Amino acid sequence: LAKTTQPISMDSYEGQEVNITCSHNNIATNDYITWYQQFPSQGPRFIIQGYKTKVTNEVASLFIPADRKSSTLSLPRVSLSDTAVYYCLVGDSGAGSYQLTFGKGTKLSVIP
Amino acid sequence: NAGVMQNPRHLVRRRGQEARLRCSPMKGHSHVYWYRQLPEEGLKFMVYLQKENIIDESGMPKERFSAEFPKEGPSILRIQQVVRGDSAAYFCASSPGTGFDVGYTFGSGTRLTVV
Repeated sequence: LAKTTQPISMDSYEGQEVNITCSHNNIATNDYITWYQQFPSQGPRFIIQGYKTKVTNEVASLFIPADRKSSTLSLPRVSLSDTAVYYCLVGDSGAGSYQLTFGKGTKLSVIP
Repeated sequence: NAGVMQNPRHLVRRRGQEARLRCSPMKGHSHVYWYRQLPEEGLKFMVYLQKENIIDESGMPKERFSAEFPKEGPSILRIQQVVRGDSAAYFCASSPGTGFDVGYTFGSGTRLTVV
């Protein structure tokens, strides 16, 4: 399993764009990158997943450079309700890849 | 369409008692997973079950912990003779299949406190 490294914490003011970068230097050819969000006292919630280039949904964008050794989760115009821990996960799409490996994540604090 | 339902949300047990945590997967999901989260840590995989079968219990402690997913009813994570170190949040997830890119849905967890 590819190991991921992301900042322990980040602060941002309301209304700003937040970019959280995750390093995964030993990502394999078949690996996907997935981000989860976890609010206090809740289970993780899927945000976005990608393989290469850029993926966008109604919540966030995911930027993956050509070498795929890192990825950046972008949250546009954050609000106080975006305060949460964000986890970057890497794994392949094979049927045996059911163990999600969560690191400590990035604790995002949005300040009014 | 209810999500993954876990109960109880909070459970307090004295050392030596048994804890039973229940998980009902999303409708249409036949794969269930249990994870444990210690304070300020990420979730750690414990066990993967399908109906009446334990597929992978490599993350589960060898003693005192067991899991089942019967033909009828919810999945149960059982911890016998609890100790203070078992205090944690236990999350259940379910999915329609396996593979990193399928949709995993997590419940809100059961917070176990051992006193």
